[in-house]
Amino acid sequence: GENVEQHPSTLSVQEGDSAVIKCTYSDSASNYFPWYKQELGKGPQLIIDIRSNVGEKKDQRIAVTLNKTAKHFSLHITETQPEDSAVYFCAASKNSGAGSYQLTFGKGTKLSVIP
Amino acid sequence: DADVTQTPRNRITKTGKRIMLECSQTKGHDRMYWYRQDPGLGLRLIYYSFDVKDINKGEISDGYSVSRQAQAKFSLSLESAIPNQTALYFCATTTGLVGDTQYFGPGTRLTVL
Repeated sequence: GENVEQHPSTLSVQEGDSAVIKCTYSDSASNYFPWYKQELGKGPQLIIDIRSNVGEKKDQRIAVTLNKTAKHFSLHITETQPEDSAVYFCAASKNSGAGSYQLTFGKGTKLSVIP
Repeated sequence: DADVTQTPRNRITKTGKRIMLECSQTKGHDRMYWYRQDPGLGLRLIYYSFDVKDINKGEISDGYSVSRQAQAKFSLSLESAIPNQTALYFCATTTGLVGDTQYFGPGTRLTVL
């Protein structure tokens, strides 16, 4: 089955600096890659996603890049703010039959933004 | 109101007890999931359901069972709880189409003593 590895497990940055989180996946058939943000005491929430037919996607201060050949994708957060502090999860999925898409998650990155 | 609700939010129980975690969603989606989150291990899939009549095992289903009582309700049971089932449990729902968001509940923190 699919295996998703995520690095680093913890990341501390100064407010205003950029943060980068990287993930690799094993199944070349995976074609959808979402990123989730989990704040303390809450469930994960989708922040951005990318499909395999796109190399990069941006949404304000957040961007995701995908390299299908190398099977890795990254989350970039620019001009970090204290409210960006959270645990971030990457995930990968493919059509697993019957039109369904099952997500395989990375182990998470705890991002701390220091004021 | 929240799209996905979970009850209880916190539960402490003893080894050997039966416990049920409940999930309700107002998104109108057919697909519902139960995940377990452990520190450093991310989210792992326990069970998922495509509709009321379709239940499937996930990565770590041993020791768990589920019931899909209605499109909007999906419950997770631990028939005989053990300490290594202490974890944070999340319910989620989605349409199942590629690119569709998985909406997660707020989680249930379960402690088995």
